[in-house]
Amino acid sequence: GENVEQHPSTLSVQEGDSAVIKCTYSDSASNYFPWYKQELGKGPQLIIDIRSNVGEKKDQRIAVTLNKTAKHFSLHITETQPEDSAVYFCAASIRWTNFGNEKLTFGTGTRLTIIP
Amino acid sequence: DTGVSQNPRHKITKRGQNVTFRCDPISEHNRLYWYRQTLGQGPEFLTYFQNEAQLEKSRLLSDRFSAERPKGSFSTLEIQRTEQGDSAMYLCASSFLGQDNSPLHFGNGTRLTVT
Repeated sequence: GENVEQHPSTLSVQEGDSAVIKCTYSDSASNYFPWYKQELGKGPQLIIDIRSNVGEKKDQRIAVTLNKTAKHFSLHITETQPEDSAVYFCAASIRWTNFGNEKLTFGTGTRLTIIP
Repeated sequence: DTGVSQNPRHKITKRGQNVTFRCDPISEHNRLYWYRQTLGQGPEFLTYFQNEAQLEKSRLLSDRFSAERPKGSFSTLEIQRTEQGDSAMYLCASSFLGQDNSPLHFGNGTRLTVT
């Protein structure tokens, strides 16, 4: 089955600086890579996702890059703000229109702390 | 769209008791998933439904666990004869799989503590 590794496990950055979280996956058939943000006492919230036919996707201060050859994808947060402090999870799955179970395999999470 | 709703938010039970959790997915979503999350880990897949049909169960789902989605809407997850190792956050997620797929949307979970 799929195995997703995530680094670092903790990350502290000064407010306004950038944060980068990296993940690798093992199953070359995986084609869907979402990132979730989880705040204390809440469920994971999707912040951005990317499909394997795209190398990069950006949404305001958040971007994700994907290297299919290396089976590696990364989350980039620019101009970090205190409200970005949370645990971030990467995930991978095989997703096709109309079929497939979309079973997400998650990384172990990165606790991001923004220092004011 | 009111999001995925889970009840109760917290449940404390004694070892050996049975517990049941409920999940109400986003109304138009045809897929419903259960995940389990232990402290410091990412969510782990337990099972999922396409409408009312349970299509896959993880080996993590022992025979003490049973999930249902009787009318293809809400779902329940029951744990019989709870053990301390069952203590975790149980997360429900839903999505729409079709021509225009949607991502998985998670609820805020039910935190189970077995004493």
